[in-house]
Amino acid sequence: EVQLVESGGGLVQPGTSLRLSCVASGFTFDDYAMHWVRQVSGKGLEWVSGINWNSGSVGYAASVKGRFTISRDNARNSLFLQMNRLRGEDTALYYCVKDRGTNWNYPHNWFDPWGQGTQVTVSS
Amino acid sequence: QSALTQPASVSGSPGQSITISCTGTSSDVGYHNYVSWYQQHPGKAPKVIIYDVSDRPSGVSSRFSGSKSGNTASLTISGLLAEDEADYYCTSYTSRLGTSWVFGGGTKLTVL
Repeated sequence: EVQLVESGGGLVQPGTSLRLSCVASGFTFDDYAMHWVRQVSGKGLEWVSGINWNSGSVGYAASVKGRFTISRDNARNSLFLQMNRLRGEDTALYYCVKDRGTNWNYPHNWFDPWGQGTQVTVSS
Repeated sequence: QSALTQPASVSGSPGQSITISCTGTSSDVGYHNYVSWYQQHPGKAPKVIIYDVSDRPSGVSSRFSGSKSGNTASLTISGLLAEDEADYYCTSYTSRLGTSWVFGGGTKLTVL
């Protein structure tokens, strides 16, 4: 069974940093691109970042570019999101998501499965 | 404001059919035939139910179908069941600068 388990969320103050992790199992991790997608409570979904199977290409939403860094460790079947200079509007549930293919920015991609998410709350 | 426009809510009675629209632009929905749809029950993670506009992953009921015309994609659910009550989101890759993947704002389906 494909499984994605996120961790690392929490309550932090504006301007600080947080690192999210996602451990994958049940599939060949280094065969697939991965993404982070977030959801504000009671609101819609927002794509945050994506990374190719070999870390050769990454992409970010305009809202997080320059503050967030996505990375992966294929040897440990793990995906990460380093979040710096956090803002109140970054408060959300962050999902780790598997891509259908190897490259995060192919139009024919789709997202499945999703982890259960880790909550990030940015507040003073 | 989401990049793709969906109705905030739709409703239908058991056994009926409903359609949810997803309107984008020539830079996303209208640019290619790769729209996907996700179902999200309360407190649960989203699950893909349609990809490549109209294809269904294995295990997804044939009551779910998708289509596209121009800049608007549509999800149709036929033979509504109580278990279909959920939020539905569309998504598409965009060629616009500043972002890559865009989602619709989501549609709350209520089964009356």
